[in-house]
Amino acid sequence: GAGVSQSPRYKVAKRGQDVALRCDPISGHVSLFWYQQALGQGPEFLTYFQNEAQLDKSGLPSDRFFAERPEGSVSTLKIQRTQQEDSAVYLCASSRLTDTATEAFFGQGTRLTVV
Amino acid sequence: GNSVTQMEGPVTLSEEAFLTINCTYTATGYPSLFWYVQYPGEGLQLLLKATKADDKGSNKGFEATYRKETTSFHLEKGSVQVSDSAVYFCALKGGEGSNYKLTFGKGTLLTVNP
Repeated sequence: GAGVSQSPRYKVAKRGQDVALRCDPISGHVSLFWYQQALGQGPEFLTYFQNEAQLDKSGLPSDRFFAERPEGSVSTLKIQRTQQEDSAVYLCASSRLTDTATEAFFGQGTRLTVV
Repeated sequence: GNSVTQMEGPVTLSEEAFLTINCTYTATGYPSLFWYVQYPGEGLQLLLKATKADDKGSNKGFEATYRKETTSFHLEKGSVQVSDSAVYFCALKGGEGSNYKLTFGKGTLLTVNP
């Protein structure tokens, strides 16, 4: 596809459920990022992949959060035992290069609501 | 660490008014600076960027100049349109630490009335 695709667009989970959020980056983009955007806030960095290697997971808020990109393309962000504070929009972004000047392209996000 | 502070909204303007959204940053070294825009129901899109001091980024009538002496990257547009209604995010990448991680401000909601 032409852009970054995320699914589902909306997810409602009961507290304690596990969820999996999918990101399909732009073809050929080696770098992939996950961000978390709470209501009324700017996106905050969660994790970064270069191809299949997860090079930075410093932003993951707890060990309930896990991300993978096994073949260097599609990525999945998994949240185990969801809590209400996990409610947010989860954004995926990809870029062709990894340097300060290169633009990151964002998907539309997955809005997660934990009830 | 890196941080971005931008003008709190919401900002409400009439069509053809002048727009300024202030953005200041804290970072060591020489980060790149960005403005992203989020239209209703859509994802974040890059609006403009500047990669070194005194560079001016511009797109769709919007401009911002990278001012290292004042650590600022204010967004301006001379005449806003209803279609500019969106949330605007100032962001930086680089400087201290990684060259890949974007640090965002909280966003400014702009509403333009006809």
